[in-house]
Amino acid sequence: AQSVTQLDSQVPVFEEAPVELRCNYSSSVSVYLFWYVQYPNQGLQLLLKYLSGSTLVKGINGFEAEFNKSQTSFHLRKPSVHISDTAEYFCAVSERSGGSNYKLTFGKGTLLTVNP
Amino acid sequence: DAGITQSPRHKVTETGTPVTLRCHQTENHRYMYWYRQDPGHGLRLIHYSYGVKDTDKGEVSDGYSVSRSKTEDFLLTLESATSSQTSVYFCAISGDRGRRTYEQYFGPGTRLTVT
Repeated sequence: AQSVTQLDSQVPVFEEAPVELRCNYSSSVSVYLFWYVQYPNQGLQLLLKYLSGSTLVKGINGFEAEFNKSQTSFHLRKPSVHISDTAEYFCAVSERSGGSNYKLTFGKGTLLTVNP
Repeated sequence: DAGITQSPRHKVTETGTPVTLRCHQTENHRYMYWYRQDPGHGLRLIHYSYGVKDTDKGEVSDGYSVSRSKTEDFLLTLESATSSQTSVYFCAISGDRGRRTYEQYFGPGTRLTVT
């Protein structure tokens, strides 16, 4: 069974600073990886995904993530954050095997707070 | 945005009463899911469906049942609500309209309070 660990439950940063939200996963098979964002009182919105190919994935709102198979990581980065990036971010994994690749396992989330 | 609606959006109910939450999609996607979101736990899968009348349990299915009689509707029922089921419930869909896309799209959520 797969699992996801988001290493920081809260990350406070100042506006225009760079940020990295860390995600590690565990799985016995190859995986698909996702980052979602949740703004207050809203549903989850897909930021970006890694299915195959280039390990550097670019998403919406200037975010990018890098898949590192040897370290089983999929860290999310943004070079300069805005106040509007304040939200909770979730990393998720889906296994590439048989019929189970339709289920996602989520991390517990990282609350990013951008301060002026 | 994917066409997913959830109803009701907010509900307060008493312990022991039955509750049904509805998820409706207009995307004709095959897969539908119910999650609950609780502080410190992220999202946890309750039940999912891989087709009409085809459903299976997730990791936190005790106390919940589901039904899917049409492609577009996926119902979550709490037969006898308990305070531990106070949560925010999200529906999600995942598509294969000619090509498998793997990611899931989420509805706006239902906030359920059991008193």
